[in-house]
Amino acid sequence: DSGVTQTPKHLITATGQRVTLRCSPRSGDLSVYWYQQSLDQGLQFLIQYYNGEERAKGNILERFSAQQFPDLHSELNLSSLELGDSALYFCASSAGGGRANEQFFGPGTRLTVL
Amino acid sequence: AQSVAQPEDQVNVAEGNPLTVKCTYSVSGNPYLFWYVQYPNRGLQFLLKYITGDNLVKGSYGFEAEFNKSQTSFHLKKPSALVSDSALYFCAVRPNTGTASKLTFGTGTRLQVTL
Repeated sequence: DSGVTQTPKHLITATGQRVTLRCSPRSGDLSVYWYQQSLDQGLQFLIQYYNGEERAKGNILERFSAQQFPDLHSELNLSSLELGDSALYFCASSAGGGRANEQFFGPGTRLTVL
Repeated sequence: AQSVAQPEDQVNVAEGNPLTVKCTYSVSGNPYLFWYVQYPNRGLQFLLKYITGDNLVKGSYGFEAEFNKSQTSFHLKKPSALVSDSALYFCAVRPNTGTASKLTFGTGTRLQVTL
C-alpha cells in the first residue's frame, strides 16, 4: 500500500458527461501528479501540483482540469467526455517538488465512457 | 524532448535464472532515472532510482540497475528471478535541470517468469 488513495475505483459514464476523480496524497507529501494510462498511449503525464499551485503541465486536454486544495487532496475534472477518454487514471504524490523525488502511485480510477 | 525506449514488449525467463529488462533514454543534460513495477490491477510501485554517484543502484526485492552514460542505458537486473516477479516494468526519465521537468515513461516491458 503506497499511502495514496483514489476514489472511485471504477467509473462508468456516457459520452458528453462530466466526472470528478479524487486523490489523497501520502501524509506529508506536497506534490500531486496525475497520469493517464491507456493501451494506445501508454502512461502519459497530465499535470502536477505542488502545495496548491500548478507546477507542470503535460498532455492534458483543455476539457480536463485539476486543482489541489488546502488540505493537499486533489481532484481531476474531466468534461465533455469522449470514448477515447476511457483509461486508467493514476494519481501519484511525492514529498517535495524536486525532480529526484520518487513518486508513489495510487491504485487508479478506471474510467469507462460508453 | 526526452524519451525512453524499452525495446522488448515481453521478456521470458525461467525461475532461478538471471533477468535483464532493457531501457535506453534520451534527455537534455543529466538524467534522473527510475524503475517502477506494476502488478495487475494495481498502481505503479517504485523499485529504484539513479540520481548521481555509483552507477550500480540497488533497489527493492533484490533488483538492481546499472547506469551507463555512454550508452544512455539504465537496464534493470536481478540475479535470480522469481515467479512472483512476473509483472509490467516501466523505466522513466526526468531531466535534472531545464524547463522540461516531467517524468517520461517507457512503454513498459512485461516480465514473465516460469517454473
